[in-house]
Amino acid sequence: GAGVSQSPRYKVTKRGQDVALRCDPISGHVSLYWYRQALGQGPEFLTYFNYEAQQDKSGLPNDRFSAERPEGSISTLTIQRTEQRDSAMYRCASSFPGTTEAFFGQGTRLTVV
Amino acid sequence: AQTVTQSQPEMSVQEAETVTLSCTYDTSESDYYLFWYKQPPSRQMILVIRQEAYKQQNATENRFSVNFQKAAKSFSLKISDSQLGDAAMYFCAYTFNFGNEKLTFGTGTRLTIIP
Repeated sequence: GAGVSQSPRYKVTKRGQDVALRCDPISGHVSLYWYRQALGQGPEFLTYFNYEAQQDKSGLPNDRFSAERPEGSISTLTIQRTEQRDSAMYRCASSFPGTTEAFFGQGTRLTVV
Repeated sequence: AQTVTQSQPEMSVQEAETVTLSCTYDTSESDYYLFWYKQPPSRQMILVIRQEAYKQQNATENRFSVNFQKAAKSFSLKISDSQLGDAAMYFCAYTFNFGNEKLTFGTGTRLTIIP
């Protein structure tokens, strides 16, 4: 696609529910990254993939958070048993091998009520 | 662990004037990359400029330039001839791993342009 696409743009969920956030990277981009941005803060790294392999998940805050990219393209970030503290903007970025520029999606704003 | 510090939560500048946003970072690596990202009210993340640590020459992109002081671990952004469209949050970011964009961001500086 023309850019990194994330869906949904907004998600309101009740505490305790599971949510799945989707990222469709730019075609041909091997690397895919997930970040979380709290209001008034900079993005914080969660996890990243090269192709379908999850290379680093050190930023996932706890085991309620997981991510997958089964075919090396679209990725899903899943949060189980959501809590109010999970409310944030979740951003996806992708990059082409051998470059230093990551292209960010518009983000998914998650609100847990 | 790498850290990025932006000590100016807010800055303002008159339209057409020049403003400098500060950023310092901490790393034990010798080769790394530094970035400035712009986040307008639409909340997109837009790459403004990047600097490779092994290059001594400061990066420039039109009205945007950096002052990279490697020994001081300082990476400031200068915006010349400020325009209303420059109003945004600006984030400084760092990565040491070429090709794998695990970025560490600062907390941001909110820039206001005064007409």
